[in-house]
Amino acid sequence: GAVVSQHPSRVICKSGTSVKIECRSLDFQATTMFWYRQFPKQSLMLMATSNEGSKATYEQGVEKDKFLINHASLTLSTLTVTSAHPEDSSFYICSARDPKGTENQPQHFGDGTRLSIL
Amino acid sequence: AQSVTQLDSQVPVFEEAPVELRCNYSSSVSVYLFWYVQYPNQGLQLLLKYLSGSTLVKGINGFEAEFNKSQTSFHLRKPSVHISDTAEYFCAGPKAAGNKLTFGGGTRVLVKP
Repeated sequence: GAVVSQHPSRVICKSGTSVKIECRSLDFQATTMFWYRQFPKQSLMLMATSNEGSKATYEQGVEKDKFLINHASLTLSTLTVTSAHPEDSSFYICSARDPKGTENQPQHFGDGTRLSIL
Repeated sequence: AQSVTQLDSQVPVFEEAPVELRCNYSSSVSVYLFWYVQYPNQGLQLLLKYLSGSTLVKGINGFEAEFNKSQTSFHLRKPSVHISDTAEYFCAGPKAAGNKLTFGGGTRVLVKP
């Protein structure tokens, strides 16, 4: 079945560091990928939609200069948390939907990245 | 836009007992719904999906769900749980036109021996 790979699985770094997270679709081409943030014991919150070859669209309240998204190819989207601070510590998850098929097909999720800012 | 509500934040259950996780959705012209499971420190894995057709949907790991249009519900059930079913379960549906998903708040299932 379709697989989405996310890397790294865990990052621990100092405040002020920029951190890049990669999301790859392994056996399909994804023109659209999604980035979510999940706080402990809470649900997923959609941060932004990553669009191949164009700008990402951000959800209300998400700082686009803080969370840079690049979708340079049909199989790779990256999320860069710029100048990370402790409040950015969270679990970040990406997803993608195989475009072959109807709009209502399920999204496939990566295994997430645990980001801890000291 | 559609919203999804999970009525129980936590459900403790004994091993081999049945479990039901409740999910209600707001009415929408086009309805499709999913149940996902999340194990600790992992992403989400699709359990089952309702797109159209039969209202009783069978998924992986012995789970099933029933789409009920009159009650706007999509409850998840398993007749006999295992310790390995301990996880967080999310109901999800379309957020708006397009590919976006909206998630319920999640239900934590704790299976006790």
